[in-house]
Amino acid sequence: DGGITQSPKYLFRKEGQNVTLSCEQNLNHDAMYWYRQDPGQGLRLIYYSQIVNDFQKGDIAEGYSVSREKKESFPLTVTSAQKNPTAFYLCASSIDRNYEQYFGPGTRLTVT
Amino acid sequence: AQSVTQLDSQVPVFEEAPVELRCNYSSSVSVYLFWYVQYPNQGLQLLLKYLSGSTLVESINGFEAEFNKSQTSFHLRKPSVHISDTAEYFCAVIPPGGGADGLTFGKGTHLIIQP
Repeated sequence: DGGITQSPKYLFRKEGQNVTLSCEQNLNHDAMYWYRQDPGQGLRLIYYSQIVNDFQKGDIAEGYSVSREKKESFPLTVTSAQKNPTAFYLCASSIDRNYEQYFGPGTRLTVT
Repeated sequence: AQSVTQLDSQVPVFEEAPVELRCNYSSSVSVYLFWYVQYPNQGLQLLLKYLSGSTLVESINGFEAEFNKSQTSFHLRKPSVHISDTAEYFCAVIPPGGGADGLTFGKGTHLIIQP
């Protein structure tokens, strides 16, 4: 079955620790995206990548970092510099930037 | 640049009643339009899309949306809702040829079905 997987579903960290969220897709899509979702604020774009070894900042990239070493994988690191990291994180992919996006099930990160 | 406005953050409806979720967009160029649905603690699923052709598009579970270019709207409707339709609904746009960073989303409308 083709799709996007995100792991883990729930993640708990202490303040000051970096944490990496996994996103893998087997849809052979070139473009991948990371969004942050907070109640009442919709989806906000963190980073996106249109091709391997290339990625661009979205609207709220501060405190986050990404890599795109393989077409299938686009991990997101939430660093200690992110002031309010507790949120629901969604990964998505599309054939290219012109098409609709397909979403993973999300990771809920709680930092205390 | 594009923007999307979903006029209602929350819409309560009784089961089996009709519903309309409103979406308006702003763009200097023509756009493709999408509706996504998000069930609690899950990712987004594509519900329906308008790319070209007939301005009325339908989904497999009874939703429909109509593209109105003059009013820059893409409202989502269902004639009779079910309790299982309770979810968050997002409207999104992208210009043909792609935006630099993909889709632009509205802030979402929470559809609450009351028994």
